[in-house]
Amino acid sequence: AQTVTQSQPEMSVQEAETVTLSCTYDTSENNYYLFWYKQPPSRQMILVIRQEAYKQQNATENRFSVNFQKAAKSFSLKISDSQLGDTAMYFCAFSLPTLNFGNEKLTFGTGTRLTIIP
Amino acid sequence: ETGVTQTPRHLVMGMTNKKSLKCEQHLGHNAMYWYKQSAKKPLELMFVYSLEERVENNSVPSRFSPECPNSSHLFLHLHTLQPEDSALYLCASSQEWAAYNEQFFGPGTRLTVL
Repeated sequence: AQTVTQSQPEMSVQEAETVTLSCTYDTSENNYYLFWYKQPPSRQMILVIRQEAYKQQNATENRFSVNFQKAAKSFSLKISDSQLGDTAMYFCAFSLPTLNFGNEKLTFGTGTRLTIIP
Repeated sequence: ETGVTQTPRHLVMGMTNKKSLKCEQHLGHNAMYWYKQSAKKPLELMFVYSLEERVENNSVPSRFSPECPNSSHLFLHLHTLQPEDSALYLCASSQEWAAYNEQFFGPGTRLTVL
């Protein structure tokens, strides 16, 4: 079974600074997908960024980028020029494509609560 | 209404009550999901429907019963719940039931079982 570990339950950073959230996962498969989801306080969870394991290039979405280290099974999220609106729970997630219906599920980590300090 | 909506947003029920959670997606997606979110625990996938076909999750107690009458609506029927079932229940949808697809989440129903 796949597992996702987020070792930082809480983090805080000053506005405009850069912060990195860590995520490690465990799988014996070679092809899979990784995601970062953001859940702001009292708001809906949304996708921040995703990465296909077969792509060596790190995904980037504006101020958000990942450092994907496949051999180390590490998938960290970097937020540059952090803003107050980045305050949220961040969940790392893993998904494995299979041919079996019902097995292509997202496996989530426990989340990191990020607070941006004005 | 746009996106994924859930009603009610908050629910308090006794252990002998029967209630239902409702989810509706306005995105034209073919897959819908129920998740349970408890504090300090990973999101737990409870049920998946794809084109109204249900995937069984053997680890979900039978006191939770899903229903998907069409591709836009998903229900979670609750009966004889336990206090440990108190949690945030999230509904989500995606274009297809596939590993790569982005999931769109609703705001959740905060359930408290007394």
